[in-house]
Amino acid sequence: GAVVSQHPSRVICKSGTSVKIECRSLDFQATTMFWYRQFPKQSLMLMATSNEGSKATYEQGVEKDKFLINHASLTLSTLTVTSAHPEDSSFYICSARDIRGQGFGGYTFGSGTRLTVV
Amino acid sequence: DAKTTQPTSMDCAEGRAANLPCNHSTISGNEYVYWYRQIHSQGPQYIIHGLKNNETNEMASLIITEDRKSSTLILPHATLRDTAVYYCIVIPDTGNQFYFGTGTSLTVIP
Repeated sequence: GAVVSQHPSRVICKSGTSVKIECRSLDFQATTMFWYRQFPKQSLMLMATSNEGSKATYEQGVEKDKFLINHASLTLSTLTVTSAHPEDSSFYICSARDIRGQGFGGYTFGSGTRLTVV
Repeated sequence: DAKTTQPTSMDCAEGRAANLPCNHSTISGNEYVYWYRQIHSQGPQYIIHGLKNNETNEMASLIITEDRKSSTLILPHATLRDTAVYYCIVIPDTGNQFYFGTGTSLTVIP
């Protein structure tokens, strides 16, 4: 089945530094990828939708200058958390939609990245 | 915003069928019903999806009412490994909006 690889799985960084998270679709092409953030005991909150070759669409309240998203190819999207602070500590998850559409099993999620800012 | 409502939690005895309901009364004609589950600290796992017909795969069955305003996910023989949060999500055919609701926390009891 479809696989999405997300790296790193865990990262600890110092306050003020930047962290890049990669999301790759391994056996399918994805024109659309989604980035989510999840705090403990809460549901996934959509941060942004990225489309290959164009600018990402950010949800209300999500700072685009802080959470930089690049979707440069049909198999790779990256999320960079810039100038990270402890309140950015969270579980970040990406999802990719198969270019072939709804008939091919839906949207596949990565395994998530646990970010801790100290 | 999420267009679905689900019970917060449910229990099910191991080996019995787990029936998880979802209300999506404002669903549009071009919107699909998707079900995912999330086991603690992992990414969501796809289970099944449908438009208006009932669907079955190796994991579960999806029953959608004729008016499409609600659906039920059925795990035919629940195991302890099925303990997870189950999310029912409505997604338009364009696929550019994908919001999670609060989900149902299913606990399978030995």
